[in-house]
Amino acid sequence: SAVISQKPSRDICQRGTSLTIQCQVDSQVTMMFWYRQQPGQSLTLIATANQGSEATYESGFVIDKFPISRPNLTFSTLTVSNMSPEDSSIYLCSVDQGTYNEQFFGPGTRLTVL
Amino acid sequence: KQEVTQIPAALSVPEGENLVLNCSFTDSAIYNLQWFRQDPGKGLTSLLLIQSSQREQTSGRLNASLDKSSGRSTLYIAASQPGDSATYLCAVNPMDSSYKLIFGSGTRLLVRP
Repeated sequence: SAVISQKPSRDICQRGTSLTIQCQVDSQVTMMFWYRQQPGQSLTLIATANQGSEATYESGFVIDKFPISRPNLTFSTLTVSNMSPEDSSIYLCSVDQGTYNEQFFGPGTRLTVL
Repeated sequence: KQEVTQIPAALSVPEGENLVLNCSFTDSAIYNLQWFRQDPGKGLTSLLLIQSSQREQTSGRLNASLDKSSGRSTLYIAASQPGDSATYLCAVNPMDSSYKLIFGSGTRLLVRP
């Protein structure tokens, strides 16, 4: 299974600022995914990041708020822009591998916005 | 629209007990179903993946079953241990979107020593 790391593991940010979260995979993957987990809630897909093309965003998420980069097959970044307290969540990246699209997740980034 | 429900939301059992966690989904057109474990404030660990054509998968003390026609999956944990305490999430991979996972809200399990 893929080994996925994320930076930072946690951060406390001020309202109105932006934070960029990094996701690194130990093998080349076609698709990388970014999820959000709000406090006490389950996971919601933000967007899918493909190398060489623009990210595909799910309903309710927009590029201006959550710009994503995918410069190569092992790395992606998610930026949370112009943050408000409602953005306080755990942000997780994932990849799918294997014939049956099993998904593996990174350790997550816990973001608190004051 | 696919919806995933997990019952119960929370469960507390004494160590050694066998237990069953339930997951139901509204649309049977799925590619696969995954069970995950999440420790507090952490990422997800994949436990078991069941393909749509399979009925069950086993890994150690864990056994997951799938009844696609009735929209149900169960995760059976044998001889529970305090280290099993975590939130257990099920997620389905819809047929019309082979990569997207739709998650349930999870079952928070506490195994008491």
